[in-house]
Amino acid sequence: EDQVTQSPEALRLQEGESSSLNCSYTVSGLRGLFWYRQDPGKGPEFLFTLYSAGEEKEKERLKATLTKKESFLHITAPKPEDSATYLCAVRATDSWGKLQFGAGTQVVVTP
Amino acid sequence: DAGVIQSPRHEVTEMGQEVTLRCKPISGHNSLFWYRQTMMRGLELLIYFNNNVPIDDSGMPEDRFSAKMPNASFSTLKIQPSEPRDSAVYFCASSSTSGGHEQYFGPGTRLTVT
Repeated sequence: EDQVTQSPEALRLQEGESSSLNCSYTVSGLRGLFWYRQDPGKGPEFLFTLYSAGEEKEKERLKATLTKKESFLHITAPKPEDSATYLCAVRATDSWGKLQFGAGTQVVVTP
Repeated sequence: DAGVIQSPRHEVTEMGQEVTLRCKPISGHNSLFWYRQTMMRGLELLIYFNNNVPIDDSGMPEDRFSAKMPNASFSTLKIQPSEPRDSAVYFCASSSTSGGHEQYFGPGTRLTVT
């Protein structure tokens, strides 16, 4: 059965203090790993898709990387507006586009 | 594009009443997903459609829940009768199978059943 585990559950950072979030996965065949950001009271917002080990994607202060067993979301010099819950999800072979989501990491960045 | 549109944004109803949630996917997307999100269980997939056809409804909690997609631009999720444990935020998402399969979420409907 496909599983996605995110750690830590919560992360509190000072503005400018870089850190990384982890997403470990078990899937029969990976067809894509997705990162989302969710603000309170809103729907998840798509950030990145990674398809193969070694791939990296960047957007502003966020950088996502992928290995065969896990993905990392690096937040460089975060700002308070980076505060959100970050979700990762995997798409498996023969999943018809279905995504399996992790529980998320809640990030709070204080000034 | 306006993105995924959901209505209503908030719904408060009494136990036993019928509730209908509505979703308009992004134009051109051919897959549609209904999710439920709670603090305890996180984001759960309820059902999804591909080209208006239900593919997997194994996440639907029980027979009180039903979903339809009569055309490519509209879907409903119905709960009848509603119960307090159905209180949650319900999200609709859409994606394109000709693209990267990334799903785009609507703003959600916050349902409270008293």
